Formats: sequence, structure tokens, C-alpha cells
Amino acid sequence: DVKVTQSSRYLVKRTGEKVFLECVQDMDHENMFWYRQDPGLGLRLIYFSYDVKMKEKGDIPEGYSVSREKKERFSLILESASTNQTSMYLCASGSSGTGYQPQHFGDGTRLSIL
Amino acid sequence: GDSVTQMEGPVTLSEEAFLTINCTYTATGYPSLFWYVQYPGEGLQLLLKATKADDKGSNKGFEATYRKETTSFHLEKGSVQVSDSAVYFCALSERGGSEKLVFGKGTKLTVNP
Repeated sequence: DVKVTQSSRYLVKRTGEKVFLECVQDMDHENMFWYRQDPGLGLRLIYFSYDVKMKEKGDIPEGYSVSREKKERFSLILESASTNQTSMYLCASGSSGTGYQPQHFGDGTRLSIL
Repeated sequence: GDSVTQMEGPVTLSEEAFLTINCTYTATGYPSLFWYVQYPGEGLQLLLKATKADDKGSNKGFEATYRKETTSFHLEKGSVQVSDSAVYFCALSERGGSEKLVFGKGTKLTVNP
């Protein structure tokens, strides 16, 4: 089975801190994604990556950056955390070029910024 | 841009009731359509998918048919169980399921015994 592992289930940080959320997948997928999930807003795409060292902005990239130095790992970085970044963060991965394959999700990191 | 609109709920049903969660979409091309489910405390799991018009996706007793003429992909189940309590998300992808997904806002389903 495909496994997408997010490094923390729960995280509490302070305003202004630099925060790293890590995601690792074990299926050699080319594509990786970071979403944010908020009540009433559903899932919104922050950043995605189609290849190592490649990144593209999603719908809400402001205040975030990403890093993909290895194929299996995709990191989300909050450069200077703010309270409005308190949310559930979901990582996903998927293969490309195979046609209509689903994305596979991690269990999420619930991040609180105090 | 592409968008997905689904019943926001919450939806509360008794066990063995019939379930429908409506989903309609707007897309410029010919998207693939998906239903994902999120059980409490977990990430999203693919429930079913359909990749072209008139396709029917099915899994675990759930079904949805890709209706191009009405741009809809409604989720149905004939007899729900308590274990079906979860949040259900409709989603589309313009370039197959591995590319970017556009999600609806989710529908929370609670099934009472």
C-alpha cells in the first residue's frame, strides 16, 4: 500500500517562528502536494511539485514556501508563522503519466500558532 | 477557473437510510471526477472515481455517475451504516487524478444507530 507519512500529527508553535512540516512518500511518485483544510472552506492547494527541485504555486501560497530536494520528501515551510496559519495541513502524492490515478494523502498535521 | 459545488450539510441519517450527496462542477475541459472520504482523525481516502461521461464509479456500496449534460457527480448509497459517518469531498482534475485536484467544501455525514 502507498504510504504518505507526515512527521507530526499535532504541532504548537509561536507567532514569528519558522515552522517546517515534513512529508515522505514511499511509492516513488513524481507529484507531491500540500493542502490546507479549514472548516467551511474545504481543501485549498498551497504548493505542488512535479519533480525534484521543482515547485509551483497553488491557490494560496502567500506566507509559505516549499522544498523538494529528494523525490520522496516534500517540505512545507512557514517563514514567519502567524495565527491565521492555524489549520490542518495535508500532504498528498500521486504518479503522473499513468492516467487518472488518485492522489494519496497523509493523516494530516494539526498546527496551532499561538 | 474550475470549481466544485457540493451540499454542505451536515447530513444526519438513521442507519439503513438512503443517502444522496449532490455535487456539480464547472470545468473548461473534460475532467476526471472523484469522491474522497475522510474518517475522523484521518487523511483523505479515495472512495470512487469516474474518468469520462456516463462512467459509474462504485465502491463499498457507494455509487456516482458522471453526467456531462448536467455537469454532476452525485454520491449515493442505498443503505448507510454507522461506520459511514465521515466527511465526503467531491473533486475534479483536469488532467487525470495525479494532477491538481479542485475540491468541494465537504459534506459531513453522521449516521445514527
